[in-house]
Amino acid sequence: EPEVTQTPSHQVTQMGQEVILRCVPISNHLYFYWYRQILGQKVEFLVSFYNNEISEKSEIFDDQFSVERPDGSNFTLKIRSTKLEDSAMYFCASRPQSTNTEAFFGQGTRLTVV
Amino acid sequence: GENVEQHPSTLSVQEGDSAVIKCTYSDSASNYFPWYKQELGKRPQLIIDIRSNVGEKKDQRIAVTLNKTAKHFSLHITETQPEDSAVYFCAATANQAGTALIFGKGTTLSVSS
Repeated sequence: EPEVTQTPSHQVTQMGQEVILRCVPISNHLYFYWYRQILGQKVEFLVSFYNNEISEKSEIFDDQFSVERPDGSNFTLKIRSTKLEDSAMYFCASRPQSTNTEAFFGQGTRLTVV
Repeated sequence: GENVEQHPSTLSVQEGDSAVIKCTYSDSASNYFPWYKQELGKRPQLIIDIRSNVGEKKDQRIAVTLNKTAKHFSLHITETQPEDSAVYFCAATANQAGTALIFGKGTTLSVSS
């Protein structure tokens, strides 16, 4: 069964450093997302991406965040200058062409900012 | 924007009992309502979903009901088993045109044998 894959599974970074989280969505899916989950809390929407541009973003997704689809398969989330409060599990998700269908989540990248 | 409230935050039941988790949403334009199960350290996985043109949906021991007028939807699990123990999240689309999901805070379900 096809699945969303994320790398790395765990990233430790120093405060102020840039990190790039990588995702390979399910092929032929067209909608891509990043969510984050601070330990023990709910899943929070960050950004959605469709047709090579951001289609929606939350208040959390400020200027320190950016997303990119550099080629036909990868979807990346960059955090420019990490803060302690960016420590969380980051999930990538993708959906097929139609909306109102299941969002498939990757296994997540645990980001720890020290 | 959309806001999703979920209750209770924790729920403990005996094996074989039923469990009910309730959610309310704020945006009347939301039209898709999935439920996800998340085991410790793992990704959220869809267990059932419902669209706004349907009032109820059932899949074996799991059912979801939707009341659009009251803007609430509920997850019902019957004949609970220890392997049902997990965190359950409800979600709603951010708005009618959007595809992002807004999640509730989660319910930790514990099923004891």
